Amino acid sequence: KNEVEQSPQNLTAQEGEFITINCSYSVGISALHWLQQHPGGGIVSLFMLSSGKKKHGRLIATINIQEKHSSLHITASHPRDSAVYICAAAGGTSYGKLTFGQGTILTVHP
Amino acid sequence: EPEVTQTPSHQVTQMGQEVILRCVPISNHLYFYWYRQILGQKVEFLVSFYNNEISEKSEIFDDQFSVERPDGSNFTLKIRSTKLEDSAMYFCASSIGNIQYFGAGTRLSVL
Repeated sequence: KNEVEQSPQNLTAQEGEFITINCSYSVGISALHWLQQHPGGGIVSLFMLSSGKKKHGRLIATINIQEKHSSLHITASHPRDSAVYICAAAGGTSYGKLTFGQGTILTVHP
Repeated sequence: EPEVTQTPSHQVTQMGQEVILRCVPISNHLYFYWYRQILGQKVEFLVSFYNNEISEKSEIFDDQFSVERPDGSNFTLKIRSTKLEDSAMYFCASSIGNIQYFGAGTRLSVL
C-alpha cells in the first residue's frame, strides 16, 4: 500500500515569494500528479509527471524517482495562488487509481 | 474546454435513504472514477470503471455502493442505504490517458 505524505501541511507566504511544497511516497509509481483544490472544493489537475521536470507558467514540478520524492514550486507567488495543493500517486500496477496526500494549504498574502 | 459535470452540487438526504450521484464524463474518455473526501481528510479512491465494468475498487466500496454507465454518457454512483459516515464530497473523474479530469464534486450530507 502506497503512503503519500506532503509537507508542509500549512504554508503562508507574502506575495512574490518563491514557494516549495514537497511530496514523498513509499512505493514505486507509474506517475505523480499535482492537483489544486479551491475553497469551493473543485479539483484541477496541474501536472502529471513520470520523470524529470515540467513547467507551466509560474508553476514547476519535479520528480526524483530514485528518492521517491516530488516538489511543486511556485515562482512569484500571488494571492490567487491561495488554494490546497495535493499530490497523488498513480500506482505501478493500477492504471489510474490515485493515492492522495493530505494536501498543503497555501495562503499568499498581498 | 470539455469538462466533467457533476449533479447535484449538494445533496441532502436522510440516513437509510438511497442516493444517486450523477456525472457526465468528457465524451471521448474511456476510464471513469469515483473518489470521496470526508471533511478534513484525504481524498480517497472508491472505484474505477472501464469497458462497462469495474476495473478496481477500494475497501470502502462495499455492497452499499454501485456504479453504472446506463446510457453511454452518464456515470452514476449509487449508495443504497446511506449512513452518517457517508457524508463527504464525492468527485467523479474521467481520463483517456494518464491525466484525470475531475468534476466540481457533489457534497453529500446525510442527516
